[in-house]
Amino acid sequence: TQLLEQSPQFLSIQEGENLTVYCNSSSVFSSLQWYRQEPGEGPVLLVTVVTGGEVKKLKRLTFQFGDARKDSSLHITAAQPGDTGLYLCADVNMRFGAGTRLTVKP
Amino acid sequence: GAVVSQHPSRVICKSGTSVKIECRSLDFQATTMFWYRQFPKQSLMLMATSNEGSKATYEQGVEKDKFLINHASLTLSTLTVTSAHPEDSSFYICSARDWTRENEKLFFGSGTQLSVL
Repeated sequence: TQLLEQSPQFLSIQEGENLTVYCNSSSVFSSLQWYRQEPGEGPVLLVTVVTGGEVKKLKRLTFQFGDARKDSSLHITAAQPGDTGLYLCADVNMRFGAGTRLTVKP
Repeated sequence: GAVVSQHPSRVICKSGTSVKIECRSLDFQATTMFWYRQFPKQSLMLMATSNEGSKATYEQGVEKDKFLINHASLTLSTLTVTSAHPEDSSFYICSARDWTRENEKLFFGSGTQLSVL
């Protein structure tokens, strides 16, 4: 079973700062998805990455997929309080990492 | 976008009773649905993968006799927590896979908060 490791586990920053969170695996991902979840709700898909080296942008969010497809990162530029939430990565079998809990303070 | 409806959103029950949670795909046919459990401040733990018309595939450590999954139609899967105990209290979330879409193939319900007294 592929294990997904996410780091950091918790991150608290001020509005306007930049941040990067990571998702790593000991084995190759065939594809990887990033989600954001708010308390009491189901996760919402942000992006799917498939190709090694792929970079996708979603407004202030930039997603990178490692060349070897064993790691991925999510970078947020100029974070806003509305970015607060649990960021999760998931593999093709829909198993999730432990998540990064982000808090953006106004 | 595609919608997955999960019901009930919140349920409180006495220890020893059974609780059924429904997950419906409203505008697409879901041959595969997933059931997760999430404890406070933790990630989603996959419990089982449910395929329409066949038995669910349970993750290691998940008791199939305690968490009964039925996926009798392409739009409905149910999770029944049998003889619930306080340690079963958790947030349960379902998701459904829409194979017709190139992207955003997986859609989540809004979850069910189960509290067992």
